[in-house]
Amino acid sequence: GAVVSQHPSRVICKSGTSVKIECRSLDFQATTMFWYRQFPKQSLMLMATSNEGSKATYEQGVEKDKFLINHASLTLSTLTVTSAHPEDSSFYICSAASGGNYNEQFFGPGTRLTVL
Amino acid sequence: QKEVEQNSGPLSVPEGAIASLNCTYSDRGSQSFFWYRQYSGKSPELIMFIYSNGDKEDGRFTAQLNKASQYVSLLIRDSQPSDSATYLCAVRGNQAGTALIFGKGTTLSVSS
Repeated sequence: GAVVSQHPSRVICKSGTSVKIECRSLDFQATTMFWYRQFPKQSLMLMATSNEGSKATYEQGVEKDKFLINHASLTLSTLTVTSAHPEDSSFYICSAASGGNYNEQFFGPGTRLTVL
Repeated sequence: QKEVEQNSGPLSVPEGAIASLNCTYSDRGSQSFFWYRQYSGKSPELIMFIYSNGDKEDGRFTAQLNKASQYVSLLIRDSQPSDSATYLCAVRGNQAGTALIFGKGTTLSVSS
């Protein structure tokens, strides 16, 4: 299957700082990328859907001004957690899909964010 | 609110036994159904997907779908200790660009 990378894999930051997470499709063009968040013992919760060149669509309850998503190219999407707080500590996972085949979604390895 | 329900477990089976994992979903318009395996601290990895009613087999894994009952299951034959993980059921609607909706997962423990 296709490869999706995320960077960083783990980040620890102080409360109030902003953190950027990158999601890259390494060997295919991802027209759509999805950002998920997973708290311990919980399922993956969709945060937003990002299409290349357009604004992201956020799920209900997800603050778009706090979680900034940019999908500037067909191989890169970024999630910026602005003014992070301890309750934002979570496992953030992206997935990518190409063309119209949304049944083929490839997950990145995830980013563990800890806000002190 | 589209929901995907799974028994959180843990489901414990001895090595070599059949593990049966179940999932129900609320959106009758759902078209695609997926089973993912997730090890602790890792992202999900796709085991298999199914679109049509009935069974689909892939090696030791069999997915079963019953759209009338809004039910999908995963059978793991000859369970191995390496199968111990959390199994996530995911459902996708029919619209293009629709993301996967995940259940909370069932934790499987295979003892040797």
